[in-house]
Formats: sequence, structure tokens, C-alpha cells
Amino acid sequence: GENVEQHPSTLSVQEGDSAVIKCTYSDSASNYFPWYKQELGKRPQLIIDIRSNVGEKKDQRIAVTLNKTAKHFSLHITETQPEDSAVYFCAASKGWNQGGKLIFGQGTELSVKP
Amino acid sequence: EAQVTQNPRYLITVTGKKLTVTCSQNMNHEYMSWYRQDPGLGLRQIYYSMNVEVTDKGDVPEGYKVSRKEKRNFPLILESPSPNQTSLYFCASTPFRGNTEAFFGQGTRLTVV
Repeated sequence: GENVEQHPSTLSVQEGDSAVIKCTYSDSASNYFPWYKQELGKRPQLIIDIRSNVGEKKDQRIAVTLNKTAKHFSLHITETQPEDSAVYFCAASKGWNQGGKLIFGQGTELSVKP
Repeated sequence: EAQVTQNPRYLITVTGKKLTVTCSQNMNHEYMSWYRQDPGLGLRQIYYSMNVEVTDKGDVPEGYKVSRKEKRNFPLILESPSPNQTSLYFCASTPFRGNTEAFFGQGTRLTVV
């Protein structure tokens, strides 16, 4: 069935370093790839998303890249800060004509050390 | 303020005692869904609804029921809760106009003993 694999499960970086989280999806019909950030005890919130007709998208210190051929997409955070510490989830969706379901990865716990 | 509201936030119950977790959104979104979050498994969809009176199973529907009698409300019902339903539950809503952001509720921490 549909599956999204996310790596690593935990990631620890020094403040100011970059962090990269990678996801692989199984269904080539997936066309929407959001990333959610979940701070401790809080709800997941969208931080960036990308659609299948775009290869890269950037928003200040965060960027997402998509390789449709390899079915990979990645989240890049530059100049990390302690407030970036959270659990990050990638997800994939095939769109509304396929029920609009989001398939989530297992999550990555990012720790940014001051 | 645009939001998705779940209640209760925390719930401890005993095996077999029926319970309902409420979810309400004030954004006039057509699409609503329920997820459970378990360590190492991410968020898995339980049920979803594409509009009033239209619901369908997600990936892990066993032991759950939902209803969508009004556009704003999408309650999750556990008719006979079991310990394996101990989890963190999130309701989410999305506008029905292409792939866009899902707005999550605050979460409900359920413990079944």
C-alpha cells in the first residue's frame, strides 16, 4: 500500500548548523508533499509544502526539494536555532480525486543544541 | 479566530466504556479527518469525511465510528474502547479546493485502562 519512509528518526545538531530530513514515498501518483512541525505538547503545523510540478521551494531558512523520478523529497533547515527543536513530519497526498488523504512519515525528532 | 477545537484534551477511561471525542471547526471546510499519533508510527488516518453525511475509512478504522451531520462537527466515537486505543488523537480540517494545508486541533490524549 501507500507508504512514506522518513529518516532519520532523531537528529541532533549544533546551533547554526544545517539539518536535513529525507522522505521517500511509494506511490508515483502522489502530487502534494507538505512538511509539518510539532513542538512538544502542541499540534502539528504546516511549515512548507511543495507540489509535484515544482522541484524546489524556499521560505527563509527552510527549503524543500523534490525528486519525482527517485520519489524522494527532503527538508533543509539552515542556520538552525534552538526554537527549531521539534518533531518534523513529512507527508504525501494524491489529491482530492483520490480521497485527499495525507500519508505521514514516522517523524524526525530534531534537537538543536545551543 | 480560525481554529479546530477538540474536546476533551485529556481522557482516562476504562475498557468497554463508550466515549466520544468532539471536533469542531469554524472555517467552513468541507474535508475533515481523524488521526492517531503513536511513537515511531507518525500520524495514521482513522476516518475522513469529504462533506456532510459523507464519511469513509482511513488506514486504521477498526474500533472507531464517526458521523458528519453538520459541516462544522466531526465527532469520533469509541463504542467499546480497548487498551490498544490508548493514543494521541488529532482532528484536522482542510478546504476542499486542491491540496492545501490541513489545520489540526489541539489533540486529545486518551488512556484506556
